[in-house]
Amino acid sequence: AQSVTQPDIHITVSEGASLELRCNYSYGATPYLFWYVQSPGQGLQLLLKYFSGDTLVQGIKGFEAEFKRSQSSFNLRKPSVHWSDAAEYFCAVGAGQAGTALIFGKGTTLSVSS
Amino acid sequence: EAGVAQSPRYKIIEKRQSVAFWCNPISGHATLYWYQQILGQGPKLLIQFQNNGVVDDSQLPKDRFSAERLKGVDSTLKIQPAKLEDSAVYLCASSLEINTEAFFGQGTRLTVV
Repeated sequence: AQSVTQPDIHITVSEGASLELRCNYSYGATPYLFWYVQSPGQGLQLLLKYFSGDTLVQGIKGFEAEFKRSQSSFNLRKPSVHWSDAAEYFCAVGAGQAGTALIFGKGTTLSVSS
Repeated sequence: EAGVAQSPRYKIIEKRQSVAFWCNPISGHATLYWYQQILGQGPKLLIQFQNNGVVDDSQLPKDRFSAERLKGVDSTLKIQPAKLEDSAVYLCASSLEINTEAFFGQGTRLTVV
């Protein structure tokens, strides 16, 4: 069965510092991978997605993620964090043509300190 | 382009009462999802529609939850009777096709007391 693990429940980063949020997935074939962000009281907004091709994916708000098949990982990165990036981040996997919907990790809460 | 619309935004009910949530997906999106997000967890799929047919409802507690998508557009999710553990945010999402980018509504926060 497909699954997503986000090992870090809560991360605090200083404003201007770099960020990396970890995501590991379990899926037999090539997955569709997504990162979503959720601000308090809001729905989920898509940051970026990987379907195929270049394993380094650029997203909105300066985020990028790298798909590493050998490590079953899809880590999210940002070179310089802004205070407005404080939110909850969810990694998700979609099961291609199998007809199942997105399976989400439990999320990582990002706090930004000044 | 209008986003996914959900109503109400907030709902407080007593246990054993019934409640219904409404979702209007993005125009032209064939796939519609209902997710349940309990505080501190990631969203969990309850049911997935493709047009007006159910693709996956394996995690829907069918003894108390029901959902329909008449005419393949709007959808309604109902809980009857509600339990305390149903307190959560109920998110609706839609996508053009299965497993393409899903767009989420703002959700309905349900509190069962």
